[in-house]
Formats: sequence, C-alpha cells, structure tokens
Amino acid sequence: EAGVAQSPRYKIIEKRQSVAFWCNPISGHATLYWYQQILGQGPKLLIQFQNNGVVDDSQLPKDRFSAERLKGVDSTLKIQPAKLEDSAVYLCATSERGLEAFFGQGTRLTVV
Amino acid sequence: AQSVTQPDIHITVSEGASLELRCNYSYGATPYLFWYVQSPGQGLQLLLKYFSGDTLVQGIKGFEAEFKRSQSSFNLRKPSVHWSDAAEYFCAVGISNFGNEKLTFGTGTRLTIIP
Repeated sequence: EAGVAQSPRYKIIEKRQSVAFWCNPISGHATLYWYQQILGQGPKLLIQFQNNGVVDDSQLPKDRFSAERLKGVDSTLKIQPAKLEDSAVYLCATSERGLEAFFGQGTRLTVV
Repeated sequence: AQSVTQPDIHITVSEGASLELRCNYSYGATPYLFWYVQSPGQGLQLLLKYFSGDTLVQGIKGFEAEFKRSQSSFNLRKPSVHWSDAAEYFCAVGISNFGNEKLTFGTGTRLTIIP
C-alpha cells in the first residue's frame, strides 16, 4: 500500500513570498489533515477535510493560509504572504476511518 | 478541551536498558490514545493505540503502553532499547464527535541512545 505522498520535501522562500504544498493521500482515505510542526513542538492541526469538505479549520490563520481538496483526493496548502514564524514542517496525514492517521514525510519550510 | 503533557523533553538511555516515556492527558471522557515515533526528517509513524478493552497495549518494534485511568496516564515502555530507537516520540489524544475526529499531540520526548 502506497503511503501519503507530499511535495516538495524542502522549500526556502523569502518573507512575503507565497508557497504551496501538495499532498496525495492513501487511496480510499476520506479524511485528510494538515498539521504544522514548529521545531521542538508537537504537530498542531491546521485544517481537516472529510472528502472535499472542511470539517475543522479553527486553527488555520485564514488571512494568509488557504487549503483545498479538489474531488476529495489531493490537497494543497498555500501560504501567502509568508512570515518568518511560518518556518516549520508541514505534515499531511490521512485516515480511512476513525482516528488512526497515516502521515507523509512532510515539507520543511524555511522563511528567510 | 483535550490536552496532552509529556513531562520529559529529552531522555538518554543506554542501549539494552529499559525505557519508559511518560504521557498524561486531560479529557472529560474516555479518550483514544496513541503513541507515534518520528525519526529525523521523517513523518510520524504509529507505534500503538488504545481505544478500549485491555489497558495494556502492544505495538510495533517491541513497544507497549499501559492506560491508567486513575492517573490519566498512557506511558510507553520497552524492556530493552536498540540504537535504532533513537527518535522523537509523541503521545496523542483523540476525540471523535459525530464524525469530526481530531488528534491533539504532546510536545514530544526526544530519546537518545548511548552505547
């Protein structure tokens, strides 16, 4: 079974630039999560999709972050404009049902 | 709201020694509990989970965890660690509310193995 695929693995941008991350879930997994993991901290949920609908985006900074999940499969997370404090690893996770989530390798973002 | 506390930021253990990583949770009902491991530059891998039933849960790589309701704890144990166990370990509590399922993670414990 293929795992959760994320790209790119690494990204370096200047502040105020925009960036996008892509996630391809495990086939058949209806739930998709985007987490932000700042160095030295645990992952923090940014947004949760059930198929192509948003279930929870209460911790998503909506003035600069956006996410979509077209056709209930792939998802993209965008930051525009980026700030220094957005430097983190962005993890995508998916689950078929319940709470058992499978994680991708993440995208490490550095904002300079 | 649910929360997770991992009191130990960093633990160093000799190879072959036993290991216990602490996790305390706060949640009003019976929680779903998880331990994940994260190797450098990698995503999180599920070690084990507790949903209900037997409070001693067996996981992969020789790990086990025990749910103690009276102490609100879900500590991770391994009788003999290997150098490959060096990683970051995260405890998480999950809630399921009418199809809205959410995981809340602790801040992690970094495990170092010395020869």
